[in-house]
Amino acid sequence: DAGVIQSPRHEVTEMGQEVTLRCKPISGHNSLFWYRQTMMRGLELLIYFNNNVPIDDSGMPEDRFSAKMPNASFSTLKIQPSEPRDSAVYFCASSLRTSGKNEQFFGPGTRLTVL
Amino acid sequence: AQTVTQSQPEMSVQEAETVTLSCTYDTSESDYYLFWYKQPPSRQMILVIRQEAYKQQNATENRFSVNFQKAAKSFSLKISDSQLGDAAMYFCAYRTSGGGADGLTFGKGTHLIIQP
Repeated sequence: DAGVIQSPRHEVTEMGQEVTLRCKPISGHNSLFWYRQTMMRGLELLIYFNNNVPIDDSGMPEDRFSAKMPNASFSTLKIQPSEPRDSAVYFCASSLRTSGKNEQFFGPGTRLTVL
Repeated sequence: AQTVTQSQPEMSVQEAETVTLSCTYDTSESDYYLFWYKQPPSRQMILVIRQEAYKQQNATENRFSVNFQKAAKSFSLKISDSQLGDAAMYFCAYRTSGGGADGLTFGKGTHLIIQP
């Protein structure tokens, strides 16, 4: 089975541009998470969805960030406008919400560089 | 809010030796899950081991085991017979066991170096 798929793997853009990161969770999983990893702040939860519904977006840093999950097999994280401090690795993870164990499976991440 | 602290930014161990990575956490909850994740240079996040707080028995996975001290809020990872492939960043993580599929709270990580 394919794991969590993220695209692109690398993104380089200029400040002010719109950036869209994409994620395809593991088929059958009903929870999806977006994390950001930086040297300064480590790994942080940005937002998560249960059954395509955003449950907690308190980790989203600013209004410039938005996330959607139009269906069970696709999610996007958008940054508009992007800034150099948004440079980070963005991970998507998914899990099956059947019990408390809910192991999260991570995608390979998208390395974003904003110049 | 829960916090996770890894006080060792970097650890080094000789191949075939045993190393212990430390993790402490802070929570007011009585039931939760703790995890250790491995992140090699490929940056893929790999689950190493999981511990349910309601279980007194320490989890083990082959060469990996944990020392879970609930009262002390401590959750250390022991790697026995260290191998070159164990070299990576290791992250301790916490998750509530509440009904919602809450996200993980991570520590800052420990960089493990394996000396051949």
